[in-house]
Amino acid sequence: AQSVSQHNHHVILSEAASLELGCNYSYGGTVNLFWYVQYPGQHLQLLLKYFSGDPLVKGIKGFEAEFIKSKFSFNLRKPSVQWSDTAEYFCAAMMDSSYKLIFGSGTRLLVRP
Amino acid sequence: ETGVTQTPRHLVMGMTNKKSLKCEQHLGHNAMYWYKQSAKKPLELMFVYSLEERVENNSVPSRFSPECPNSSHLFLHLHTLQPEDSALYLCASSQRTDYEQYFGPGTRLTVT
Repeated sequence: AQSVSQHNHHVILSEAASLELGCNYSYGGTVNLFWYVQYPGQHLQLLLKYFSGDPLVKGIKGFEAEFIKSKFSFNLRKPSVQWSDTAEYFCAAMMDSSYKLIFGSGTRLLVRP
Repeated sequence: ETGVTQTPRHLVMGMTNKKSLKCEQHLGHNAMYWYKQSAKKPLELMFVYSLEERVENNSVPSRFSPECPNSSHLFLHLHTLQPEDSALYLCASSQRTDYEQYFGPGTRLTVT
């Protein structure tokens, strides 16, 4: 079955530390990939997306993600996190350009000042 | 209002009540979605409408009944719900069904 896995459920970092959140999907065909963020008390917002082209995509607030097809991965990175990055991060995949957006279970990031 | 709005933000209802959730998108999109977000579970797609036609009913019980009167509005009619239906219900919209989706703030539903 098609699925998206986020292996880190909780991550705690200090400010200025580097961040990498893992995301893997299980599907051998064409995928569109997304990272969404949900700040405390706010709604889901799109951080970045990959449809095609350069596998390294840059999003808002200094985030980037790299699509590695051979590893079925789309990991999210940020070189230096801030306290304001405290949020829940969701990876999502759309297989074969269908309307079905499949979400991972999310990763809660806490950044300590 | 901009983006995707949802009302009410919070709803408490008994198992015999009938209520409706409303979603409105101000983005000129052609597709709208209902999702369920339960504790410790990934977001689950419930319904998809594209150009006001339902294209997905993801094995959702009949006690949930969607309605899409036009491309800007989406409703979720609720009746005889169960306590396990308590969750955050999210609405989303997209320009096309294969484009990125934009989410509303959700309705926190509690069934007593």
